[in-house]
Amino acid sequence: KQEVTQIPAALSVPEGENLVLNCSFTDSAIYNLQWFRQDPGKGLTSLLLIQSSQREQTSGRLNASLDKSSGRSTLYIAASQPGDSATYLCAAWNSGNTPLVFGKGTRLSVIA
Amino acid sequence: DGGITQSPKYLFRKEGQNVTLSCEQNLNHDAMYWYRQDPGQGLRLIYYSQIVNDFQKGDIAEGYSVSREKKESFPLTVTSAQKNPTAFYLCASSPWADGEETQYFGPGTRLLVL
Repeated sequence: KQEVTQIPAALSVPEGENLVLNCSFTDSAIYNLQWFRQDPGKGLTSLLLIQSSQREQTSGRLNASLDKSSGRSTLYIAASQPGDSATYLCAAWNSGNTPLVFGKGTRLSVIA
Repeated sequence: DGGITQSPKYLFRKEGQNVTLSCEQNLNHDAMYWYRQDPGQGLRLIYYSQIVNDFQKGDIAEGYSVSREKKESFPLTVTSAQKNPTAFYLCASSPWADGEETQYFGPGTRLLVL
């Protein structure tokens, strides 16, 4: 059964710093790996989706990488801003009739 | 305006009462999902449905029930058998068996016990 782990659980950084959020998964037979953002009391918003055949995806200041062989994905945020403060969740999708499996998230605080 | 709507935003349940959370989507997605979120627990899957009139239990289905009579609607009932229902409930939808697209989430319903 797929298990997704995110480390650290919480992170606080000063504004302008580059940072990396980590995600690991136990079953490497994934179809895709997805990163979401959740603001307090809100639903999830999709940030990036990496197909199993891809190594990375970029959107603005965000870059997500995928290494299936090691069971790891990272989300890189460049030049962090206070508006980036939120919880970031990763989720793995295995092919077949299985839904997304989510990690518990990393709560990010960017201090002005 | 395409998307997923959930209602109500806040819901209060009395002891022994069943309550129903609404989820509607106009994205023409085949699959719909219900998640429960507790502080520090991440998202846990309650039920999901790949097609109308069919649904499967997730990891924590006990004390909950669902129906999928229409493609656009997937209501969740929290029954009196669910002893600890206080949580944030999220509904999502996606095209099924398609690795190209992500899940789209509603704004959530917060359920509180009186």
